[in-house]
Amino acid sequence: KNQVEQSPQSLIILEGKNCTLQCNYTVSPFSNLRWYKQDTGRGPVSLTIMTFSENTKSNGRYTATLDADTKQSSLHITASQLSDSASYICVVSGMAGGYNKLIFGAGTRLAVHP
Amino acid sequence: DSGVTQTPKHLITATGQRVTLRCSPRSGDLSVYWYQQSLDQGLQFLIQYYNGEERAKGNILERFSAQQFPDLHSELNLSSLELGDSALYFCASSVASGQGGKNIQYFGAGTRLSVL
Repeated sequence: KNQVEQSPQSLIILEGKNCTLQCNYTVSPFSNLRWYKQDTGRGPVSLTIMTFSENTKSNGRYTATLDADTKQSSLHITASQLSDSASYICVVSGMAGGYNKLIFGAGTRLAVHP
Repeated sequence: DSGVTQTPKHLITATGQRVTLRCSPRSGDLSVYWYQQSLDQGLQFLIQYYNGEERAKGNILERFSAQQFPDLHSELNLSSLELGDSALYFCASSVASGQGGKNIQYFGAGTRLSVL
């Protein structure tokens, strides 16, 4: 069964600190992996997209890594800001029911405190 | 602002009723996707349309249906509503039809449905 699991479920850090969010997937065949940021009550916004041949992708203070062999990805946030408080969703593109579909993880809820 | 417009923002209705959610995609985007997000749950893909035709189907209930019109806007119809249908419903749009590759989906702000 195609699955995407994220950890931790929630995380609290102090402003200015770094953090790393994890994503493990069992989706096969694999096409690409995306990280989205979702502010409370808002739609998700794409942060990074990586194919199996890419093992790192940065977007400002966000850096995503991908290990297609172990089927793991991480999202590293550097020098966190209060505005980073949001849910971070790992999304993997794979085949399901004959279609190439996006499979969403449940997300990690990050709270950045002053 | 993603460029994807969803209306209404909030909807309160009773069990057994029928509602219609509307989505206008970004200018130039041909694909529209519908997602359901229940409280503290992940996004669940419901259905995708590309240029007026159904392209992919996810975990969409038989009580739910959607369509995409010639002007590319889309509507999601929810009927015989149950308490468990209360959720945020998101629409997303993209240029291409495939959910693979690097076809980026842009999400609207969502419609919050409350079934009482």
